[in-house]
Amino acid sequence: ETGVTQTPRHLVMGMTNKKSLKCEQHLGHNAMYWYKQSAKKPLELMFVYSLEERVENNSVPSRFSPECPNSSHLFLHLHTLQPEDSALYLCASSLRDSRNEKLFFGSGTQLSVL
Amino acid sequence: KQEVTQIPAALSVPEGENLVLNCSFTDSAIYNLQWFRQDPGKGLTSLLLIQSSQREQTSGRLNASLDKSSGRSTLYIAASQPGDSATYLCAVVYAGKSTFGDGTTLTVKP
Repeated sequence: ETGVTQTPRHLVMGMTNKKSLKCEQHLGHNAMYWYKQSAKKPLELMFVYSLEERVENNSVPSRFSPECPNSSHLFLHLHTLQPEDSALYLCASSLRDSRNEKLFFGSGTQLSVL
Repeated sequence: KQEVTQIPAALSVPEGENLVLNCSFTDSAIYNLQWFRQDPGKGLTSLLLIQSSQREQTSGRLNASLDKSSGRSTLYIAASQPGDSATYLCAVVYAGKSTFGDGTTLTVKP
């Protein structure tokens, strides 16, 4: 148990659906991240929230919409996705900008878009 | 721009063998380097973190070293077991930004 919990573990959705991924951390961290991991591709950083403010958005399509209501919770709202968006979506948290900064990951949500 | 490379991309060894995984990075300005393990379809589990001022860290059968000046880190796994089969990723951290390598997929055959 890493202290970062993601739900759901698996999600299948059609291209016209709207769904949300949830991430929760109980580590007292001040930064939370969304990563995308596609088959045979490296980890891609999507969004970074630091102290509930979005500090990084790596050219992610608008069909992905993050939300960070407080320092412990992070959501990724999904709408009108494409089949190529099928991937493992990973949430992580850390104490940002500390010399001992260590990333803690959740178990991921395996998303399939039909 | 920081770039992280892991070689080899895949490695297959018989059980019991000692092995070394490599990670290299282009910018030596780092806070720390973290090694992770990932099982298929799962999240990343942190194995070891080495701060930039440290040379190595050990945890059980794992030993990670860091040579910041040459931009290299190694993960040494002693007496490998089939349960060690997974993908191993390294990530360098600086000023709140983490850069990951592509990983080395390890298979340990019984």
